[in-house]
Amino acid sequence: AQKVTQAQTEISVVEKEDVTLDCVYETRDTTYYLFWYKQPPSGELVFLIRRNSFDEQNEISGRYSWNFQKSTSSFNFTITASQVVDSAVYFCALSPIKAAGNKLTFGGGTRVLVKP
Amino acid sequence: ETGVTQSPTHLIKTRGQQVTLRCSSQSGHNTVSWYQQALGQGPQFIFQYYREEENGRGNFPPRFSGLQFPNYSSELNVNALELDDSALYLCASSPPGQNMNTEAFFGQGTRLTVV
Repeated sequence: AQKVTQAQTEISVVEKEDVTLDCVYETRDTTYYLFWYKQPPSGELVFLIRRNSFDEQNEISGRYSWNFQKSTSSFNFTITASQVVDSAVYFCALSPIKAAGNKLTFGGGTRVLVKP
Repeated sequence: ETGVTQSPTHLIKTRGQQVTLRCSSQSGHNTVSWYQQALGQGPQFIFQYYREEENGRGNFPPRFSGLQFPNYSSELNVNALELDDSALYLCASSPPGQNMNTEAFFGQGTRLTVV
């Protein structure tokens, strides 16, 4: 069985501060995908980033960066210089490689509130 | 804009009734998945349809059923509604080929309230 845990339920920051969201996962699969999705109040889940389990290189994409450590089953996500528009619920998710991004197992989400 | 559209956006039903939710996948996408998101929780995978056949199911009872049509649009049917079925139902589509470097594109969801 797969499981994703986001221990932080809510984070509140002031604009321009960095925000790091924690994610820990469990899976018996040897290869898998990890994702971060954003859910604004409109309800639609917006894809942010994807990482393959066999590629632990950490990257930066604009104001987003991630730290994937397979040894600790963690996939943390950082928003640099937060903006008010970043206020949303963020979900970490996991899927088997063969499902190619489908059949996602989501964590409980972390609500991020960015104050002006 | 993802191109995945769901209808209706909101729905109120009475316990014991049946409901049908609809999803139009993004153009060119042949895989559709449905998720249930209870208030304050993460989405839970219900099932997936690929080329009009069910291709995987989560931990949901048989009263949750679905269909996929030749144009790849999909329906989610829930029979004998229970109060706990109140949730946001999300549809996601993804492109052909079960290959790497794909992700699911989500619709805005249908908010179902069972009273």
